[in-house]
Amino acid sequence: KQEVTQIPAALSVPEGENLVLNCSFTDSAIYNLQWFRQDPGKGLTSLLLIQSSQREQTSGRLNASLDKSSGRSTLYIAASQPGDSATYLCAELGEGNQFYFGTGTSLTVIP
Amino acid sequence: DAGITQSPRHKVTETGTPVTLRCHQTENHRYMYWYRQDPGHGLRLIHYSYGVKDTDKGEVSDGYSVSRSKTEDFLLTLESATSSQTSVYFCAISADLAGGIYNEQFFGPGTRLTVL
Repeated sequence: KQEVTQIPAALSVPEGENLVLNCSFTDSAIYNLQWFRQDPGKGLTSLLLIQSSQREQTSGRLNASLDKSSGRSTLYIAASQPGDSATYLCAELGEGNQFYFGTGTSLTVIP
Repeated sequence: DAGITQSPRHKVTETGTPVTLRCHQTENHRYMYWYRQDPGHGLRLIHYSYGVKDTDKGEVSDGYSVSRSKTEDFLLTLESATSSQTSVYFCAISADLAGGIYNEQFFGPGTRLTVL
């Protein structure tokens, strides 16, 4: 069973700060890694997908990186805003087309 | 947004009754998934489908069955609901492009199920 770990479980930062969320995985044969955002009581919204052949993807203020050799991915959020407050989850796609999820980092951006 | 709907969105039922949740997609994607989300456990895969009538078990499949008779619909059935199956259930879909190396997953809005 693949393991995906996200540390810290919760993070609180002042508005405007740049921040990094971490995701660690044990699958050495990862196909891709996907970052999601989840607002309370809502479904998951896809943010970024990094294929195994790529090292990073960018969308607006978000940048995700993938280092297969160390089993790590990071999500960088620039100039954080209160609207960024949510839970962020990572998921890796392994063999059998099954996705394995971390338990998420709950982010609070304080105005 | 990907065209994924789930029904019902909320349901309260009693222990021992059968329950069926429906996921409907308009994207014609090959893969469909059912997850449950519980505090402290994150998202856990229940069952998934890789085509019409093709399904397989996930991590927490006991007490659940699925069916997929059409590309667009994936049904999750709790054969005899128990209180431990109180959870939020999410359906997800993904395509099979370029030999499966680009499988971005999209989620439905979820169904909140309470078993009394």
